[in-house]
Amino acid sequence: RKEVEQDPGPFNVPEGATVAFNCTYSNSASQSFFWYRQDCRKEPKLLMSVYSSGNEDGRFTAQLNRASQYISLLIRDSKLSDSATYLCVVKGSGGYQKVTFGTGTKLQVIP
Amino acid sequence: NAGVTQTPKFQVLKTGQSMTLQCAQDMNHEYMSWYRQDPGMGLRLIHYSVGAGITDQGEVPNGYNVSRSTTEDFPLRLLSAAPSQTSVYFCASSSQGGGNTEAFFGQGTRLTVV
Repeated sequence: RKEVEQDPGPFNVPEGATVAFNCTYSNSASQSFFWYRQDCRKEPKLLMSVYSSGNEDGRFTAQLNRASQYISLLIRDSKLSDSATYLCVVKGSGGYQKVTFGTGTKLQVIP
Repeated sequence: NAGVTQTPKFQVLKTGQSMTLQCAQDMNHEYMSWYRQDPGMGLRLIHYSVGAGITDQGEVPNGYNVSRSTTEDFPLRLLSAAPSQTSVYFCASSSQGGGNTEAFFGQGTRLTVV
């Protein structure tokens, strides 16, 4: 089983739609969680951290469910500029913080 | 704000050649890592380092060497390039501090081995 799993998509949604991505992780001791965005042929960049209580940043909402070991990202009112690949990222615990990336979910917002 | 600097951005190698991908960060981050990204495979960890003088293998270390003589630099060496090493390589750094610390990436190196 992969340490971090995501549905690769692609998710093709019309402008204005709401879309949700899920990500599951296998290590119950994982401490930190993130969503990164990667545009075509570019480096990944942090979209938002994921906090236990859930957090929101504008149109983006991230949720963490430790009991079920999954993370979600909800995008409301999708824009064309949201088209990208969204990477789920999990950081370990202990003496070092190993970072594990999911394979990414591709989102295409259609006019 | 330099952040993480990777060089070169593009490289073509012949099978059997060796080369070093350079990575430098100016944020005094303890943790640095190298990933390769292939279509359908996502980012896979090659090697990582939790501080100067300390390195460890990731998921796909074969054919690559690393060293961490300073906090700032983390070069990746391809010992004898193979076509299977054609990929996009990313270097990343982050603070080893606790909490939700962000990983910063270089712009990537697109490597083709022919």
